[in-house]
Amino acid sequence: GAVVSQHPSRVICKSGTSVKIECRSLDFQATTMFWYRQFPKQSLMLMATSNEGSKATYEQGVEKDKFLINHASLTLSTLTVTSAHPEDSSFYICSASGWGQPTGELFFGEGSRLTVL
Amino acid sequence: RKEVEQDPGPFNVPEGATVAFNCTYSNSASQSFFWYRQDCRKEPKLLMSVYSSGNEDGRFTAQLNRASQYISLLIRDSKLSDSATYLCVVRNTGNQFYFGTGTSLTVIP
Repeated sequence: GAVVSQHPSRVICKSGTSVKIECRSLDFQATTMFWYRQFPKQSLMLMATSNEGSKATYEQGVEKDKFLINHASLTLSTLTVTSAHPEDSSFYICSASGWGQPTGELFFGEGSRLTVL
Repeated sequence: RKEVEQDPGPFNVPEGATVAFNCTYSNSASQSFFWYRQDCRKEPKLLMSVYSSGNEDGRFTAQLNRASQYISLLIRDSKLSDSATYLCVVRNTGNQFYFGTGTSLTVIP
């Protein structure tokens, strides 16, 4: 099946710093990528939807100036958590859909575990 | 009303039991349906797509009922390794995906 790679898998940073997470589709063109956040023992929460070449659409309650999403190419989307605080510590997961997938399912990255000290 | 509703459980069943999960969706124009499995601290992985005629993969059977707008997942002869969270995912015509909250399953020895 298609592969989505997410990097880094784990990151620890100091409060106030910014962290960038990359999501790459390795063998297909991802016209749409989705970013989620998941807190322990809770369900996935969609943060935003990004379409290649256009601005991301953020879900209600998600600060677009804090969570910067860039989807500049068909194979790469990035999520930057700006001025991270301990409450931003979470599991961030991307997923992608796009051309070349006959079954139309979503493919998920491995997730990035962010810890803000 | 949520796009996708799913009983969060938890379901605690003995090994060998049969367990079924249901998921309802609100948009009658939804196109594609999937069951994903998510293990603790891992990303969701596709378990199976759900086809109109129903489909089976080993101990797993998925069904779609468009009239009542629900999908189901049946797991027969539960194994300890089936313990996970099962997510239903619905895709609409606008390439939007909607998730259920996930159903937690624990298979007990």
